[in-house]
Amino acid sequence: EVQLVESGGGLVQPGGSLRLSCSASGFTFSSYAMHWVRQAPGKGLEYVSAISSNGGSTYYADSVKGRFTISRDNSKNTLYLQMSSLRAEDTAVYYCVKLATVTTFDYWGQGTLVTVSS
Amino acid sequence: QSALTQPASVSGSPGQSITISCTGTSSDVGGYNYVSWYQQHPGKAPKLMIYDVSNRPSGVSNRFSGSKSGNTASLTISGLQAEDEADYYCSSYTSSSTLPVVFGGGTKLTVL
Repeated sequence: EVQLVESGGGLVQPGGSLRLSCSASGFTFSSYAMHWVRQAPGKGLEYVSAISSNGGSTYYADSVKGRFTISRDNSKNTLYLQMSSLRAEDTAVYYCVKLATVTTFDYWGQGTLVTVSS
Repeated sequence: QSALTQPASVSGSPGQSITISCTGTSSDVGGYNYVSWYQQHPGKAPKLMIYDVSNRPSGVSNRFSGSKSGNTASLTISGLQAEDEADYYCSSYTSSSTLPVVFGGGTKLTVL
């Protein structure tokens, strides 16, 4: 059974940093691109970042470029999102998502809430 | 990165059919057969319901179907049930952004 378990969310002050982790199991983690998608309270889904299966290619939404860094450790089956210079508008539930084919997200984690507030 | 356009809300009675539209451009919905649909219940993670325009993952009811015409994709739910009440999001591959995926703004389905 595929499982994606996020951790690392919490309350952080504006300008602060946070690192999210996503522990994956039930599939060959190193064979799949992985993604982060976020959802602000009461809002829709926003694609944040993506990383190729071997970590060699990364992609970021314009809204987080230069502030967030996606990475992965295939030996630990873990995906990361390092977030810095956090802003109030980064407040959201962050989902770790597995990509099946092309643009199909077949498995989602339960999400971790990041709240940026003073 | 512009979102795909979905109606904010739709509603229907149990047993009826409803259709949710998702309108994009030739750079996304109209140009590729890579449209997906996700169902999200309150407080839960999204769940894949349709991929590649009209394919259903294993375990998803055949009451859910997808189609596309031009720049507009559609999700149809037949035989509406109370548990279908949720938010629905479409997504598509896009060639007009550094990120390959664009989401719709979401549609709240109310079962009357």
